[in-house]
Amino acid sequence: EVQLVQSGAEMKKPGESLKISCKASGYTFTNDWIAWVRQMPGKGLEWMGVIFPADSDTIYSPSFQGRVTISADKSTRTAFLQWGSVKASDSAMYFCARESGHGNPWFDPWGQGTLVTVSS
Amino acid sequence: DIQMTQSPSSVSASVGDRVTITCRASQSIDNYLNWYQQKPGKAPKLLIYAASSLQRGVPSRFSGSGSGTDFTLTISSLQPEDFATYYCQQSYSYPRSFGQGTKMEIK
Repeated sequence: EVQLVQSGAEMKKPGESLKISCKASGYTFTNDWIAWVRQMPGKGLEWMGVIFPADSDTIYSPSFQGRVTISADKSTRTAFLQWGSVKASDSAMYFCARESGHGNPWFDPWGQGTLVTVSS
Repeated sequence: DIQMTQSPSSVSASVGDRVTITCRASQSIDNYLNWYQQKPGKAPKLLIYAASSLQRGVPSRFSGSGSGTDFTLTISSLQPEDFATYYCQQSYSYPRSFGQGTKMEIK
């Protein structure tokens, strides 16, 4: 079974660093892109960026470029999303998703989500 | 960047109703259009890919159509478990983008 399992909820203070993870299983990790998607409370889905684990090629949304870093570790089949300094406005649910369907791709499956809360 | 616009933003319907949601892209995206269902507190779930292909395991009451800039998701006979929020998403180019969502509510 193809599965993405994300790390647990995080509570941080403004200015702290944060790294959340997404561990893949059930498929060849280096064959497909993994995307990160933000969902702020009560709002819609926002695409943040994507990484190709085979060579760590990364594409960011202009809205998130410079604010977050996406990385991947082939040896542990894990993708990461990190912040150097979080803000209250980073409080949201974050999902990872496999982008499959080469040539005409879609997101499936999705991780269960990681809730990030930033508050002083 | 490609903007995706869904309508309506919310719809009130009854079990057994036929419901259609539309999604419009700001430029042609051929058939690079996917539909997802999200229930409260859960991750989105893929329903339709490449505009009209039904994801394995998704009930046949769901269908998708369209090409170019205009797309539709139709539920032929609403079931209680279908009350959720639905999103379209384009995979034609980067950055990927989603519609703002359509919330399906019980009348």
